[in-house]
Amino acid sequence: KAGVTQTPRYLIKTRGQQVTLSCSPISGHRSVSWYQQTPGQGLQFLFEYFSETQRNKGNFPGRFSGRQFSNSRSEMNVSTLELGDSALYLCASSLDRGNTEAFFGQGTRLTVV
Amino acid sequence: AQSVAQPEDQVNVAEGNPLTVKCTYSVSGNPYLFWYVQYPNRGLQFLLKYITGDNLVKGSYGFEAEFNKSQTSFHLKKPSALVSDSALYFCAVRDRGSNSGYALNFGKGTSLLVTP
Repeated sequence: KAGVTQTPRYLIKTRGQQVTLSCSPISGHRSVSWYQQTPGQGLQFLFEYFSETQRNKGNFPGRFSGRQFSNSRSEMNVSTLELGDSALYLCASSLDRGNTEAFFGQGTRLTVV
Repeated sequence: AQSVAQPEDQVNVAEGNPLTVKCTYSVSGNPYLFWYVQYPNRGLQFLLKYITGDNLVKGSYGFEAEFNKSQTSFHLKKPSALVSDSALYFCAVRDRGSNSGYALNFGKGTSLLVTP
């Protein structure tokens, strides 16, 4: 069974631009979550989608948004990029919500210059 | 509110010796607890979880963790460390009764270095 696939793996953007990251969950998994990982702040929750609906959102500005499609694939978008948005963005998929473990993709390394 | 503390930034252990990576948590209700490992430039790999039942949970690669409700701890252990266990380890909690949904709240991570 294929794992969680994130594309692209690496991205370099300029301040002020916007970016879209993609995540394909494990087949059959319905929940997709996004996390931001930085050396200073560690792993921080961005949002969770289940059945195409955002179920939960972390403490991030409105520049960060996402969506989930009917096939459970998910995208996240960051508009008006800032230098501080440079991070590893990790997508995780779960079979369901609650007590099921999340499986992570390898992440997208975003560098804002 | 829920939180996780990993009190050690780094743990050093000699190959063949037992290892322990510490984790304490704080939740308003009963927790779901997880351990993940991250190798350089990679995503997180699931090791094990505690949901309910036996306090000693066995996971992947010979790792196990002990849930202690009175001490609100969930320490990761392995009887005999391997050099290949060297990586960054994250403890995470999810509060099953929380209004914050099903987000995982991660600790800061502990870097494990196993020397030959």
